Amino acid sequence: GQQVMQIPQYQHVQEGEDFTTYCNSSTTLSNIQWYKQRPGGHPVFLIQLVKSGEVKKQKRLTFQFGEAKKNSSLHITATQTTDVGTYFCAGGGSGGSNYKLTFGKGTLLTVNP
Amino acid sequence: NAGVTQTPKFRILKIGQSMTLQCAQDMNHNYMYWYRQDPGMGLKLIYYSVGAGITDKGEVPNGYNVSRSTTEDFPLRLELAAPSQTSVYFCASTLTAYNQPQHFGDGTRLSIL
Repeated sequence: GQQVMQIPQYQHVQEGEDFTTYCNSSTTLSNIQWYKQRPGGHPVFLIQLVKSGEVKKQKRLTFQFGEAKKNSSLHITATQTTDVGTYFCAGGGSGGSNYKLTFGKGTLLTVNP
Repeated sequence: NAGVTQTPKFRILKIGQSMTLQCAQDMNHNYMYWYRQDPGMGLKLIYYSVGAGITDKGEVPNGYNVSRSTTEDFPLRLELAAPSQTSVYFCASTLTAYNQPQHFGDGTRLSIL
């Protein structure tokens, strides 16, 4: 079945440093979604990418979808303590399984003030 | 607007006991999902439903059952609780199938001793 690998598993940064997490799928995706989960909380939707090579920005966050629609990245510029949490990518299957998401294991980001 | 509501928030069960985790959404979403989240393992799909009366297995369905008698409710049943089912359970919903973000409940933290 479809597998989504996400690296790194953990990342600790000093406030103000940049952060990037990477996501790779074993199969071509219909779309990729990114979620953020604060400690003790539930996943919250951040963004969705659909088109090959798509790049979207949300303030200090930049999301990219690879040309082959099999990989993606999330980059945070100048991290803040409010960025702490686990970031998950989730790949949408193609064809008849497009309503199911396969989640990566997530990257836990901690920020030292 | 309540969104996705899960009850209970916490529960401790003894091995062999049964219980039902409740999930309700008030957004008139057609698609509903149950995930379990183990530390460092991301979210794994247990069961999903594409509409009232229709359910299907996800990645890790063993030991669980679901029903979907109404659009709003999607309960998850554990018949014979086992220690391996200790986890955090999240219910999610989405309006339509394709390329839609999932809205998550706050989760149920379940321990089986």
